[in-house]
Amino acid sequence: EVQLLESGGALVQPGGSLRLSCEGSGFSFSTYAMSWVRQAPGKGLEWVSTISYSGGDTDYADSVKGRFTISRDNSKNTLYLEMNSLRAEDTAFYYCAKAPYSSGRVYFHYWGQGTLVTVSS
Amino acid sequence: DIQMTQSPSILSASVGDSVTISCRASQSVSSWLAWYQQKPGKAPKLLIYKASSLESGVPSRFSGSGFGTEFTLTISSLQPDDFATYYCQQYKSYWTFGQGTKVEIK
Repeated sequence: EVQLLESGGALVQPGGSLRLSCEGSGFSFSTYAMSWVRQAPGKGLEWVSTISYSGGDTDYADSVKGRFTISRDNSKNTLYLEMNSLRAEDTAFYYCAKAPYSSGRVYFHYWGQGTLVTVSS
Repeated sequence: DIQMTQSPSILSASVGDSVTISCRASQSVSSWLAWYQQKPGKAPKLLIYKASSLESGVPSRFSGSGFGTEFTLTISSLQPDDFATYYCQQYKSYWTFGQGTKVEIK
């Protein structure tokens, strides 16, 4: 059974930093592209970032480009999202999602349960 | 950037009804479109990919159609478990979601 477990969400001040983690199990983690998707409380879904199976290719939404960094450690079956210069509008539940393929045009096949990031003073 | 627009935003229906949700892309996404269901407090769940392919384990009352810029999600006989919010998403060029359609009990 595919499982994705996010962690690292917290209350952080504007301008602060945070690192989210997502540990995958039940599948060959190193074979699949992975993504982060966020959802502000009571709002819709927003794609944040995607990384290919090897980590060699990454993409970012304009809203986070230059502030967030996606990475993965395939030896630990773990996906990361390093978030810097956090703003109030980054407040959201952050979901990690597994793609059905290694890279390219992928949809979000399986999702974690989400972790809450709150940016507030 | 490709924008996705869903209609309606809220849909009131009864158990047993057939309902249709529309999704329009600002430019062609070919068949690179997925549909997700989300219930309150839960993560989204994949229903349909490549516009009309039913994800394994999803009931056959869900179906998707369309190509290019116009897409629909149809639930043929609404069940109590289907009251939720539905999102379309394009994955032709980066990834963009529609704003969501809430299906509520009439």
